[in-house]
Amino acid sequence: EPEVTQTPSHQVTQMGQEVILRCVPISNHLYFYWYRQILGQKVEFLVSFYNNEISEKSEIFDDQFSVERPDGSNFTLKIRSTKLEDSAMYFCASRVDRALGNTIYFGEGSWLTVV
Amino acid sequence: QQQVKQSPQSLIVQKGGISIINCAYENTAFDYFPWYQQFPGKGPALLIAIRPDVSEKKEGRFTISFNKSAKQFSLHIMDSQPGDSATYFCAASMVDRGSTLGRLYFGRGTQLTVWP
Repeated sequence: EPEVTQTPSHQVTQMGQEVILRCVPISNHLYFYWYRQILGQKVEFLVSFYNNEISEKSEIFDDQFSVERPDGSNFTLKIRSTKLEDSAMYFCASRVDRALGNTIYFGEGSWLTVV
Repeated sequence: QQQVKQSPQSLIVQKGGISIINCAYENTAFDYFPWYQQFPGKGPALLIAIRPDVSEKKEGRFTISFNKSAKQFSLHIMDSQPGDSATYFCAASMVDRGSTLGRLYFGRGTQLTVWP
């Protein structure tokens, strides 16, 4: 079964450093998302991306965050200057097409620890 | 603003029993209600989903009951098994509305433990 793959699985970074989390969505999917989950809390939406531009972003997704689809397969989340409260599991997700299906498929996550 | 409220926070059920998790929503624009299952260290995986034009959907041991007038929906796990022990999240989205692209609003999760 096709799956969303994410790298790294775990990253430890110092406060103030830049971090890039990488994702390879399912190949024929057109909609891409980043969510995050702080330990023990619910999954929260960060941003959705379609046709090479951001479609929607939450209040969490401030100026320190950015997303990019640099080529036909990768989808990245950059955190410019990490803060302690950015420590969380970050999930990439994708969906095929609005008409063809509603299911959003999640990757296994990238665990970010900011120290 | 909590768009989707989920209860209970944790649930302990004996093997073979019925697990019931409840969710309530406020936004009547929601038109897609999935349930996700999450094992430790893994991403959420879609378990079952329902649209508001039906009141119940069953897939194997998993059933969603949907009450549109009450703005509530619930997950029933029949014949619960130890392998069902996981965190369950309800969610809601507006799949067919403008530019929202099906953003999921998650409940806070229910940690289910099934004792053998």
